[in-house]
Amino acid sequence: ILNVEQSPQSLHVQEGDSTNFTCSFPSSNFYALHWYRWETAKSPEALFVMTLNGDEKKKGRISATLNTKEGYSYLYIKGSQPEDSATYLCAFDTGRRALTFGSGTRLQVQP
Amino acid sequence: DGGITQSPKYLFRKEGQNVTLSCEQNLNHDAMYWYRQDPGQGLRLIYYSQIVNDFQKGDIAEGYSVSREKKESFPLTVTSAQKNPTAFYLCASNVGLNTEAFFGQGTRLTVV
Repeated sequence: ILNVEQSPQSLHVQEGDSTNFTCSFPSSNFYALHWYRWETAKSPEALFVMTLNGDEKKKGRISATLNTKEGYSYLYIKGSQPEDSATYLCAFDTGRRALTFGSGTRLQVQP
Repeated sequence: DGGITQSPKYLFRKEGQNVTLSCEQNLNHDAMYWYRQDPGQGLRLIYYSQIVNDFQKGDIAEGYSVSREKKESFPLTVTSAQKNPTAFYLCASNVGLNTEAFFGQGTRLTVV
């Protein structure tokens, strides 16, 4: 079983704060790294699918970076808003089977 | 609207019973997946199917069975052999390996 770890497990920030989370994954057999946002009572939704070492993706106030050689990815949220409150999941993709997910980082943004 | 539909949303099972969770998608996706979530844990893979009439065991397949007779449907049966079936079950699909996954809203199964 592949080991995908996310930290921190949970995070409480104030509205307007910027924050970041980490996803660690195996540095071998890498094909892609996915980030998903999972809001309460909704389905997880894809944020980014990253495939290249050094890749950076951005969607609004959310951005992600990828280091495949050392096996980590960072997700950044600039100026957090209450609507950013969700669990953020990363998933490791070997290109050969289904995604292996981390346990997620639960973010709560206080107004 | 295209999407993935899981039913029922809540399911109660008595000890020793088999139950089947439904997952239907109208996204024309080839690949479908079943994941299980327990409190404080990530999504763990039960079974996946890359094409009709073919499926593979995931990391925690014991006590579960699936079928993939139609492209749109990937039902999961939780058998009496599953020792601890109380959990939240998520179905997902994608065009194929290496593409973003789309998820249903989940089924919460409770053994009573």
